[in-house]
Amino acid sequence: NAGVTQTPKFQVLKTGQSMTLQCAQDMNHEYMSWYRQDPGMGLRLIHYSVGAGITDQGEVPNGYNVSRSTTEDFPLRLLSAAPSQTSVYFCASSYVRVGNSPLHFGNGTRLTVT
Amino acid sequence: GENVEQHPSTLSVQEGDSAVIKCTYSDSASNYFPWYKQELGKRPQLIIDIRSNVGEKKDQRIAVTLNKTAKHFSLHITETQPEDSAVYFCAAIPSGGYNKLIFGAGTRLAVHP
Repeated sequence: NAGVTQTPKFQVLKTGQSMTLQCAQDMNHEYMSWYRQDPGMGLRLIHYSVGAGITDQGEVPNGYNVSRSTTEDFPLRLLSAAPSQTSVYFCASSYVRVGNSPLHFGNGTRLTVT
Repeated sequence: GENVEQHPSTLSVQEGDSAVIKCTYSDSASNYFPWYKQELGKRPQLIIDIRSNVGEKKDQRIAVTLNKTAKHFSLHITETQPEDSAVYFCAAIPSGGYNKLIFGAGTRLAVHP
């Protein structure tokens, strides 16, 4: 049981490049989400999904797209990277809605945009 | 929307002392308040949570208290140990936002031997 797996661990992009951060969980969790962590700002919710085919926006969704074609996977896409997107990105999942079961976090992806 | 403020941003204590971290929230209908611990370079992990129908919850050296009238909740760590050194995050779920967990900015706790 691997839990929540994020790839890659580190990534450097140039401004304007696109990329996809991968997230997979093997716990049959319905809920999945993406957070970004910046110094002094805590964890901010980007997008979340309550099940396959269903996604919604969090606190800071601009510049990011998501999709949920399967229960297991929840990729985060940066269409045109900007230096303001330099951050550590965490994927997190929970068995049911987030208030009824704890969030399980992945190990994070450290992204630098130059 | 929900706004969660956390204080202090840094906290330094001697081993064996107690540590208290306080969070305030804006949405009076919020009803779930977890605390996460993040050790250096690691992922955040849930350490304790409390619901709005409970005023206090304890788990060994850790306790959380909730004051719904004042809209604040606090994490209490007693008999601190060096392994308690980490960043602690409080969070809340806004009313109507059952799938949005909103975090505070975090408190960096340092426990000195």
